[in-house]
Amino acid sequence: NAGVTQTPKFRVLKTGQSMTLLCAQDMNHEYMYWYRQDPGMGLRLIHYSVGEGTTAKGEVPDGYNVSRLKKQNFLLGLESAAPSQTSVYFCASSYSLAGAYTDTQYFGPGTRLTVL
Amino acid sequence: SQQGEEDPQALSIQEGENATMNCSYKTSINNLQWYRQNSGRGLVHLILIRSNEREKHSGRLRVTLDTSKKSSSLLITASRAADTASYFCATDPQTGANNLFFGTGTRLTVIP
Repeated sequence: NAGVTQTPKFRVLKTGQSMTLLCAQDMNHEYMYWYRQDPGMGLRLIHYSVGEGTTAKGEVPDGYNVSRLKKQNFLLGLESAAPSQTSVYFCASSYSLAGAYTDTQYFGPGTRLTVL
Repeated sequence: SQQGEEDPQALSIQEGENATMNCSYKTSINNLQWYRQNSGRGLVHLILIRSNEREKHSGRLRVTLDTSKKSSSLLITASRAADTASYFCATDPQTGANNLFFGTGTRLTVIP
């Protein structure tokens, strides 16, 4: 099993350009997440999904859109990139648990994005 | 904010010594999880402790949870150079949101 994979690993954009980050998991997980990690800030949740066709906003959703058309894929889009979106982006997935509990999350290797 | 806060921010020890990291949080939780991140890599889950548990062990790791003080600690015994990494606590709050809130991490350096 590949676990959680992310494409691309690195990307440089100019302000105003758009791009899509792809996350794929082969563990049949219901839940998928997109985080950004900035120095000294820890991980902050951008958007998440609790199942195919569903998405929800996290802590820092502005400037990003997501889609979960297939259970195994979770896409993160930047419509008009800004320098403030320079960060490392991590995707994660997890099983769903009975009740409102959050299970162990499995992380991808990250995408390093620079916006000039 | 529902983030946990780790203490200390950075820790440097000699190989063979024990390392203790602390996490404090503000809300009631379902569980608390610890993750490790090697430089330039994704996070890896270490251990999950539920709100009704007080202590949990996994190999050289020992985690404690005190819900009355809203705090947790991660102890790594007999540290090795390969333990050098950043360690994050993550809380699962009782809000039904189905997501975790991560702290800013403790950077551990184990000197050979």
